Amino acid sequence: EAGVTQFPSHSVIEKGQTVTLRCDPISGHDNLYWYRRVMGKEIKFLLHFVKESKQDESGMPNNRFLAERTGGTYSTLKVQPAELEDSGVYFCASSQGVWNSPLHFGNGTRLTVT
Amino acid sequence: GENVEQHPSTLSVQEGDSAVIKCTYSDSASNYFPWYKQELGKGPQLIIDIRSNVGEKKDQRIAVTLNKTAKHFSLHITETQPEDSAVYFCAAGDAGNMLTFGGGTRLMVKP
Repeated sequence: EAGVTQFPSHSVIEKGQTVTLRCDPISGHDNLYWYRRVMGKEIKFLLHFVKESKQDESGMPNNRFLAERTGGTYSTLKVQPAELEDSGVYFCASSQGVWNSPLHFGNGTRLTVT
Repeated sequence: GENVEQHPSTLSVQEGDSAVIKCTYSDSASNYFPWYKQELGKGPQLIIDIRSNVGEKKDQRIAVTLNKTAKHFSLHITETQPEDSAVYFCAAGDAGNMLTFGGGTRLMVKP
């Protein structure tokens, strides 16, 4: 079984540019999550999809971040325009059910904004 | 919202010794407590989890204990090996399945 895959693994962009991160969850997993770890701090929740619907987006920092999951399969997270404080590692995770099903994480995308 | 504190932030042990990492949480509604291991360049990998109706769970050299009254839970690794070296994260979750993570513990096992 293929795990959660994320692309790209690294991205370096200048302040003000746009970056789009992609996540392919484990096949059949309806739940998809985005998390972020900034500057070696704790991993923080961004949002949760159930299929194509946003279940909880309370962790999204501001309107420069846009997440989509068209068709309930892969998801994208766009940052536009990027700011220096957006630098960090963005993780995607997926799970099968809802009631505390184990989360399976991808390897993350390391985003550096210069 | 939930707040999870994790200690220590770094832990160095000799190979063969035991390692203990402790976490406290604030929201009594949390009922799911997983532990993740993150190796360099990889994402967090679930190593063990415990639900609120259980006080202790063990899987070979790894065990987790939960004290719901005191709102704390701990990870115990016995007979540590160099390959146990990694960053470990605790987390607490509720029925909505959103996890709140602790700040992480960098474990170094010296051969």
